[in-house]
Amino acid sequence: AQKITQTQPGMFVQEKEAVTLDCTYDTSDQSYGLFWYKQPSSGEMIFLIYQGSYDEQNATEGRYSLNFQKARKSANLVISASQLGDSAMYFCAMREGEDSNYQLIWGAGTKLIIKP
Amino acid sequence: GAGVSQSPSNKVTEKGKDVELRCDPISGHTALYWYRQSLGQGLEFLIYFQGNSAPDKSGLPSDRFSAERTGGSVSTLTIQRTQQEDSAVYLCASSLEAFLLHYGYTFGSGTRLTVV
Repeated sequence: AQKITQTQPGMFVQEKEAVTLDCTYDTSDQSYGLFWYKQPSSGEMIFLIYQGSYDEQNATEGRYSLNFQKARKSANLVISASQLGDSAMYFCAMREGEDSNYQLIWGAGTKLIIKP
Repeated sequence: GAGVSQSPSNKVTEKGKDVELRCDPISGHTALYWYRQSLGQGLEFLIYFQGNSAPDKSGLPSDRFSAERTGGSVSTLTIQRTQQEDSAVYLCASSLEAFLLHYGYTFGSGTRLTVV
């Protein structure tokens, strides 16, 4: 079974609109971390935001926020007031804590295109 | 260094030749990872180094692939007898501590390998 599922292979959004990128995860661990990365066409992977499983508040970083719904195992990325520079691939990833599983487990990514 | 440095940034090689890809992680980062990303795809785990422990080679696709990390710092990924299916972007990442949930990865800008 997929550990990280990103159901939107691609999205088109009008500039200045908010956008939500979906991510669901599967783990039996109580302790885990969730990450979002951005990959522009230039290829580098850029860390955006982190949410720990015990964090009570949703994580926020500037225009990025993570809508963490633990019971639904959902960790959607919300980008407010989208900009043309937000066009990129976005990857959701998880690190599990209790199984000594040290790797980040990656989703397949969502390609986001912002339209002017 | 200030970031993860990878070289070369681009490599074109003939089928059957050997190639070496280099990764210089952030100073003090004990964990180092190699990933492969084919065009439009997600990240495929290759190998992981943590300090002086034996590396996790479980992701290497064949025995043509090998990697080493000297002195707990610089790593070299070697692909012998390259094949066209080896064409991809090879990403290196380092992390301050592999076993702490909130430490994500810092990625290099990748090496784009093209086998002709």
